[in-house]
Amino acid sequence: NAGVTQTPKFRILKIGQSMTLQCTQDMNHNYMYWYRQDPGMGLKLIYYSVGAGITDKGEVPNGYNVSRSTTEDFPLRLELAAPSQTSVYFCASSTRTYGYTFGSGTRLTVV
Amino acid sequence: GESVGLHLPTLSVQEGDNSIINCAYSNSASDYFIWYKQESGKGPQFIIDIRSNMDKRQGQRVTVLLNKTVKHLSLQIAATQPGDSAVYFCAEDNNNDMRFGAGTRLTVKP
Repeated sequence: NAGVTQTPKFRILKIGQSMTLQCTQDMNHNYMYWYRQDPGMGLKLIYYSVGAGITDKGEVPNGYNVSRSTTEDFPLRLELAAPSQTSVYFCASSTRTYGYTFGSGTRLTVV
Repeated sequence: GESVGLHLPTLSVQEGDNSIINCAYSNSASDYFIWYKQESGKGPQFIIDIRSNMDKRQGQRVTVLLNKTVKHLSLQIAATQPGDSAVYFCAEDNNNDMRFGAGTRLTVKP
């Protein structure tokens, strides 16, 4: 099993540009999450999904959008990138009876 | 609001000693707690979890203690090794809302 796969690993965006961070899992987990981690800080929940077709806002959803058309994929969309969105983004999945499995992260810089 | 916090941002221990990392939580409704380890440049890795109906759980070289009375969680690592050097996060889960603390950096001295 590959677990949770995130692409790209690194990206530099200019202010106002848009991009999609990809996340896919092969564990058939219903629950998927997007977190951001700022330097020296813990993880903050952006959006989560309890199953295909269902998404909900987390703690810091502004400036982001998600979709969940399949169990495997949970892409995160950034529209009109801002410097405040410079961060490391982690996708995770779980079965809700066990701890989360995290991807290796996407390091995003907005300049 | 509710938050998860850690008592110490850094912890330095000698190789072979036991390590104790502490965490305070304030949401009394949280029913599931997890410790994660994050090495530099990697995503968090699950270490051990505990549910609110337990006060202790043991894994391989790790033990998690939960004190609901004072809303305190701790992670004990026995015979700490250089490979244990990382940032450790506690997280509390309340109905899909998992909140993470800022983390404690553990450094193991040879």
